[in-house]
Amino acid sequence: GEDVEQSLFLSVREGDSSVINCTYTDSSSTYLYWYKQEPGAGLQLLTYIFSNMDMKQDQRLTVLLNKKDKHLSLRIADTQTGDSAIYFCAEASPLYNTDKLIFGTGTRLQVFP
Amino acid sequence: DSGVTQTPKHLITATGQRVTLRCSPRSGDLSVYWYQQSLDQGLQFLIQYYNGEERAKGNILERFSAQQFPDLHSELNLSSLELGDSALYFCASSPRDRGLTEAFFGQGTRLTVV
Repeated sequence: GEDVEQSLFLSVREGDSSVINCTYTDSSSTYLYWYKQEPGAGLQLLTYIFSNMDMKQDQRLTVLLNKKDKHLSLRIADTQTGDSAIYFCAEASPLYNTDKLIFGTGTRLQVFP
Repeated sequence: DSGVTQTPKHLITATGQRVTLRCSPRSGDLSVYWYQQSLDQGLQFLIQYYNGEERAKGNILERFSAQQFPDLHSELNLSSLELGDSALYFCASSPRDRGLTEAFFGQGTRLTVV
């Protein structure tokens, strides 16, 4: 099916690390993405990883990809209250003439002081 | 600012009516995606256009249609509206249709059907 799965909620203390997990569906997906959505706002692209990589680091963000298990994770170091938002993973799943961008269910991250 | 512009930001309309949502992609982007975000169904892919041609269809109802114009802006038409069509509608744009490296989203149009 086309269900990209994420856990619904994550609650962390300010200063701790957050790890948001995602299981995607298509082993031939070329790119995998993490988006952030703050309340009342659109989706902000945080980072992406090409499917032949297993890790990507970008400042406080670390993306890990386990292609065998179709598992993607986003680690946010030193989590701040401003990181509170919904985080979506997405996969670019190739069709015969295009890539289809499919989103997960979203994980609501709550950061408390 | 992602560079993707959606209008209007908010829309309130009655059941049975028809509305048109507009999306202007980032300069140079040829691919436009439409998504519907509702509380019970998350972010659902509706349809994708590339350089004026339909490329992929998702869970788009027959009452909905879209097109991409020669200037690359896109419109999503929703007709015979029902209460359940109330949602946030997003468009995203990308330079290409394949090997996506980035897709940027607009701020969305919030549609309320009463």
